[in-house]
Amino acid sequence: DIQMTQSPSSLSASVGDRVTITCQASQDISNYLNWYQQKPGKAPKLLIYDASNLETGVPSRFSGSGSGTDFTFTISSLQPEDIATYYCQQYDNLPPVLTFGGGTKVEIK
Amino acid sequence: EVQLVESGGGLVQPGGSLRLSCAASGFTFSSYWMSWVRQAPGKGLEWVANIKQDGSEKYYVDSVKGRFTISRDNAKNSLYLQMNSLRAEDTAVYYCARASYGYRIDYWGQGTLVTVSS
Repeated sequence: DIQMTQSPSSLSASVGDRVTITCQASQDISNYLNWYQQKPGKAPKLLIYDASNLETGVPSRFSGSGSGTDFTFTISSLQPEDIATYYCQQYDNLPPVLTFGGGTKVEIK
Repeated sequence: EVQLVESGGGLVQPGGSLRLSCAASGFTFSSYWMSWVRQAPGKGLEWVANIKQDGSEKYYVDSVKGRFTISRDNAKNSLYLQMNSLRAEDTAVYYCARASYGYRIDYWGQGTLVTVSS
C-alpha cells in the first residue's frame, strides 16, 4: 500500500504570510493527489484536485503543485478564514484505494 | 444543489451491527462513484469504502474488510454501509461522499456519529 507523509502536522503563521504544506507518497502516484480543507465541526471541502487544479469557487490564493511522489500545497496570503486543518489524499488504482495524509492544522500567530 | 444526508448513526455495543444510509439529491446519483469516509474523534480522515456507479465494484480499507459492506440503490438515490462486528476503534463520524472518477471527493454529507461502547 502507498503511504502518504504530510508535513508539518501543525503550523502558526501571521495574516498575509505565505503558507506551504508538503505531502510525500511512498511511490509514484502521477498526479492523483487532492487537497481538502476542514474547519472545526464541519465536513471537509475539496480545494485542489489532480495536484494543481483549483476546484470551482475556491479562492486563487490556494494552489497546488507536484507530481510523482512530491507535492506542495500553498496559501499565498493567509487569511483569518483559512484557519482549518488541511489534508492531502492520494489515489492508488491497484487496487483502487484512497489514502489521506495525517493533516496539517493551520493557526494564526 | 448537491445534497448528501446521512442517517443511522448511534450507540452500539462491541460486536453489534449498524446500518448507515445516505440520501442523495441534486445530481444524477447513478452516474457517480460513491464513498464512505470516517473520522475518529480528534483524529484525521480515513477512507472506508468505494462503490462503482452500478454497484459492480466495491473496495474497502483493510481494517473493515469482511465486516463492512457498501451498497447502493440507484432507484432510491441512496447509499448504504452495513457495519457488522463493530469494534471500539470503529467509533467515528461517518461521511457519505461523492467520488468523481472514483477518487476525487467533491461533495460530502454532514456526517453521522457512530459510537461503539459497552
